[in-house]
Amino acid sequence: GQSLEQPSEVTAVEGAIVQINCTYQTSGFYGLSWYQQHDGGAPTFLSYNALDGLEETGRFSSFLSRSDSYGYLLLQELQMKDSASYFCAALILTGGYQKVTFGTGTKLQVIP
Amino acid sequence: DGGITQSPKYLFRKEGQNVTLSCEQNLNHDAMYWYRQDPGQGLRLIYYSQIVNDFQKGDIAEGYSVSREKKESFPLTVTSAQKNPTAFYLCASSINRDREQYFGPGTRLTVT
Repeated sequence: GQSLEQPSEVTAVEGAIVQINCTYQTSGFYGLSWYQQHDGGAPTFLSYNALDGLEETGRFSSFLSRSDSYGYLLLQELQMKDSASYFCAALILTGGYQKVTFGTGTKLQVIP
Repeated sequence: DGGITQSPKYLFRKEGQNVTLSCEQNLNHDAMYWYRQDPGQGLRLIYYSQIVNDFQKGDIAEGYSVSREKKESFPLTVTSAQKNPTAFYLCASSINRDREQYFGPGTRLTVT
């Protein structure tokens, strides 16, 4: 089956850098997205990797290694408002259809 | 304003009743998705549709049904066959095979 594993919780200090890892086992994989979700809210898109390497979008960067079935989200200059859950999501092609499988989620707590 | 609307925000039903959750989008997206999220968990795919009058089962389709008669609308019916229907339901849409999904605000369903 399809599975994406993430650490369940991470705590980091305001102003620091934090890395959230995602390992996946999927067939038909063609890209990895990252989403942020605040408590009670809807997920919002952060970043996407189709190719190996690092993608940078402001304070957020995302990395993908297809050979290792591994990716990570890097958050720099952490702010209190970054406290949220972060999900990796694999884009999968199956039978000509695109579907998305989400990881288990990582709850990030930013402390002063 | 373009976006996705879900209604209602909170929904309460008695066990044994079918209930339909609304999802409408005016983004002109071809693809639409339904996810279920349980407390502290990731998003699990229920159904998805890439074009009108066509939809596919996701990972947890049992006890749910959908229709896609119009591009803008993708209602989800939670039937009495769903053993544990209490959850947060999220609808999303995207341009076909695009990396980014746009999410509605969600409907929190409680069945007692």
